[in-house]
Amino acid sequence: AQKVTQAQTEISVVEKEDVTLDCVYETRDTTYYLFWYKQPPSGELVFLIRRNSFDEQNEISGRYSWNFQKSTSSFNFTITASQVVDSAVYFCALRVAGGTSYGKLTFGQGTILTVHP
Amino acid sequence: AAGVIQSPRHLIKEKRETATLKCYPIPRHDTVYWYQQGPGQDPQFLISFYEKMQSDKGSIPDRFSAQQFSDYHSELNMSSLELGDSALYFCASSFQGGEQFFGPGTRLTVL
Repeated sequence: AQKVTQAQTEISVVEKEDVTLDCVYETRDTTYYLFWYKQPPSGELVFLIRRNSFDEQNEISGRYSWNFQKSTSSFNFTITASQVVDSAVYFCALRVAGGTSYGKLTFGQGTILTVHP
Repeated sequence: AAGVIQSPRHLIKEKRETATLKCYPIPRHDTVYWYQQGPGQDPQFLISFYEKMQSDKGSIPDRFSAQQFSDYHSELNMSSLELGDSALYFCASSFQGGEQFFGPGTRLTVL
């Protein structure tokens, strides 16, 4: 079985601060994919990034960056110079490749990020 | 680009009533997934279909059933609704189990 844990339930920062959202996962599969989704107050799930288990290269996209460390089973997400529009619930998710669980996403509990002006 | 379409977007039902949620996947996508997200919760996988056959099943109550039709759209049927069924229901689609694209969700309120 797969499990995703997001240690921070809520984070509150002031605009322009950097913030890191932690994600730790558990799986016995050797091939898997990790995701981050953003859920703004409007409710839709917005895809942010996908990482496969063979690619530990960190990625930066504008103010967003992701740090994947297989040795610690972590896939952390950092927002640099946060903005009020970043306020949302962020979910980390895991999908394994193959087997009977092929395709289904297992989500973490989510982190509520509030950015104050 | 075309996205996943869900209808209705909002639905209000009474206890013990029946509800049907519809999902229209992205064209040429052959896999549909259903997730349920309760208030303050993370999305929980319910069921998925690949090429009109059930491919995986999660914690879906026996009161719920789903299917995928020949045009690849899917319907989630929910009977004997309970207060606890109030949630946001997401449909996602993918091509051959690849990247999942989520619809905007259907917000179901059971009174």
